[in-house]
Amino acid sequence: SQKIEQNSEALNIQEGKTATLTCNYTNYSPAYLQWYRQDPGRGPVFLLLIRENEKEKRKERLKVTFDTTLKQSLFHITASQPADSATYLCALGGGTSYDKVIFGPGTSLSVIP
Amino acid sequence: EAGVTQFPSHSVIEKGQTVTLRCDPISGHDNLYWYRRVMGKEIKFLLHFVKESKQDESGMPNNRFLAERTGGTYSTLKVQPAELEDSGVYFCASSQDRGTGVYNEQFFGPGTRLTVL
Repeated sequence: SQKIEQNSEALNIQEGKTATLTCNYTNYSPAYLQWYRQDPGRGPVFLLLIRENEKEKRKERLKVTFDTTLKQSLFHITASQPADSATYLCALGGGTSYDKVIFGPGTSLSVIP
Repeated sequence: EAGVTQFPSHSVIEKGQTVTLRCDPISGHDNLYWYRRVMGKEIKFLLHFVKESKQDESGMPNNRFLAERTGGTYSTLKVQPAELEDSGVYFCASSQDRGTGVYNEQFFGPGTRLTVL
């Protein structure tokens, strides 16, 4: 069955550094991969979507890579800030309204001032 | 613009009772999705409405769960009778439909935390 793995341990980094989160998946060949942010007591918030024919996508301080050969996506936050502290979810699919979204377990990120 | 709202925010019920969760999507969003996260697990898809029709209900765990979306506006998810394993956070999301091949971002509500004792 399809499986998504993300950094199992919480990630703690110093403010100003780059945070790198990993998403690995098996038994699936998604045309799309998404990253969401989730804060405690709130629903996920969409951040970025990358297509299988795109290697990299950027949005402000965020950068996502998508390697369909390795079946891996990396999510980078540059110049991290304490406000970036949250859980980040990798999700496969969802490129169209009819395409089911499959979420990973998430990685908790804490940015220390 | 108001976001996706869900009611109640928390619900605590006894095993065997019935609970109804409500979701109000963003106005004009034809697509409505239900997801849930049970303790320690990933968020999992339950079903997808397009307007008032069920497009995909492959994620519904069993026939104790009934989802409706009368008139294509708000949706309800009823659990009857509730079991211990139904405890978790139930999320609703909605999206526009801007045509084939166009990505339609899903906007999530804050979730309803259901506890079955």
